[in-house]
Amino acid sequence: EADIYQTPRYLVIGTGKKITLECSQTMGHDKMYWYQQDPGMELHLIHYSYGVNSTEKGDLSSESTVSRIRTEHFPLTLESARPSHTSQYLCASSGSQGAGNSPLHFGNGTRLTVT
Amino acid sequence: DQQVKQNSPSLSVQEGRISILNCDYTNSMFDYFLWYKKYPAEGPTFLISISSIKDKNEDGRFTVFLNKSAKHLSLHIVPSQPGDSAVYFCAAKNAGGTSYGKLTFGQGTILTVHP
Repeated sequence: EADIYQTPRYLVIGTGKKITLECSQTMGHDKMYWYQQDPGMELHLIHYSYGVNSTEKGDLSSESTVSRIRTEHFPLTLESARPSHTSQYLCASSGSQGAGNSPLHFGNGTRLTVT
Repeated sequence: DQQVKQNSPSLSVQEGRISILNCDYTNSMFDYFLWYKKYPAEGPTFLISISSIKDKNEDGRFTVFLNKSAKHLSLHIVPSQPGDSAVYFCAAKNAGGTSYGKLTFGQGTILTVHP
């Protein structure tokens, strides 16, 4: 059973506000990811980290930023939220095993609505 | 350019029958394929995977088939149960390198299993 937690589950916020989406995992996984998904669409990778102090941009350009100061924690921040940021944000983690094909374990996501 | 495609947005089957979900990909560098299941308001859950060196992998009621020459994979669920009703995502991973652990997802297929 995967232990990865995201808060808040739902967030409605006004334009221009700064927000941080929290993600924590208790599995000791070194790799963590942020995906963004709109309804009926595929998940798009926006950020990933291979370990502490390592962060990279994903395939989909995003105005958000991330940090990885501790292994278990991978928060995502939007300095100034806009309606175009309305989406579901999914955090995931994976360990290192065997040939490296370790499935991603996802949190339950944060549904963000910017008004 | 969508590298992983699930061309059927939805599928409806009767309880006890077989469900077949399809997925096509274009990137010949993909070497590992996964299926995820997602319930509303939850994160995706890993279901089953297959390496490109195999053409079939089975786990209980779930079987994934891979046809590399056609760049096609399918997920078979038999017998289908109402609890299988969810969105199913196909995902693929590039072989090694800097793309380690990053997944490319399809847009999902909504499966509805009727009692």
